[in-house]
Amino acid sequence: DAGVTQSPTHLIKTRGQHVTLRCSPISGHKSVSWYQQVLGQGPQFIFQYYEKEERGRGNFPDRFSARQFPNYSSELNVNALLLGDSALYLCASSWSDTQYFGPGTRLTVL
Amino acid sequence: GIQVEQSPPDLILQEGANSTLRCNFSDSVNNLQWFHQNPWGQLINLFYIPSGTKQNGRLSATTVATERYSLLYISSSQTTDSGVYFCAPPEWGNTPLVFGKGTRLSVIA
Repeated sequence: DAGVTQSPTHLIKTRGQHVTLRCSPISGHKSVSWYQQVLGQGPQFIFQYYEKEERGRGNFPDRFSARQFPNYSSELNVNALLLGDSALYLCASSWSDTQYFGPGTRLTVL
Repeated sequence: GIQVEQSPPDLILQEGANSTLRCNFSDSVNNLQWFHQNPWGQLINLFYIPSGTKQNGRLSATTVATERYSLLYISSSQTTDSGVYFCAPPEWGNTPLVFGKGTRLSVIA
C-alpha cells in the first residue's frame, strides 16, 4: 500500500501570496492531521479532520484553513503569507491510535 | 497542555556504540509514539508504545506511563541511524500529537 502522499514537494512564494498544500492519506484511513515544523523545532499541530469534519485546531491564525474531501484527501490553505510561515508542512493519516506521516511540503516565503 | 522534554538534545556516537534517549512528559498519557526524522524530513514510525517494552531489531523502547517517561534504546548504532528522534504523546485522546524538540543523533563511521 502507498503511504501518505503530499504535493508539491517544495514551494517558493512571496509575502502576501496564498498557498494550497495537498495530502492523500493511506488507503482506508479516514483521519488527516496537519503539522507545521519550523527549523530546529518539533512539528506543531495545525488541524485534524475526520470524516470531512474538523476535529481539532491548533494555535494558528485564521489565515490557516483546511478541508477534507469525500475521498479523505485534504488541503491546507494559507492566506497572506508571512516570512514566518516558511516551514516544513507535514500531513499525517491515522488508523486507530497510530499516526503515519507523509514526506512533507517545504514552503519558503520570500 | 502536555509538555514534552527530550534529552539529550544532541548526541554524537561512534558507529557500533549504544545509546539511550529519554522522553519526559508532564501528564498521564494513553499512548505515545517514537519517530525518526531522516535528513530529508521524513518522519518514520519507530514504535507505538503506551506502556511496557517493545523491540524491533536494534531498537527497543520502554514507556513507564505511571512515572511519565519513555526511553528509546539504540544498540550497535549505524550511520543510517543519524537524524532527529522525537517522542510524541497525544494532547488529548489519541490526537493531536505533541512533539518535543527531539534528540539530534549523529553517528560517525
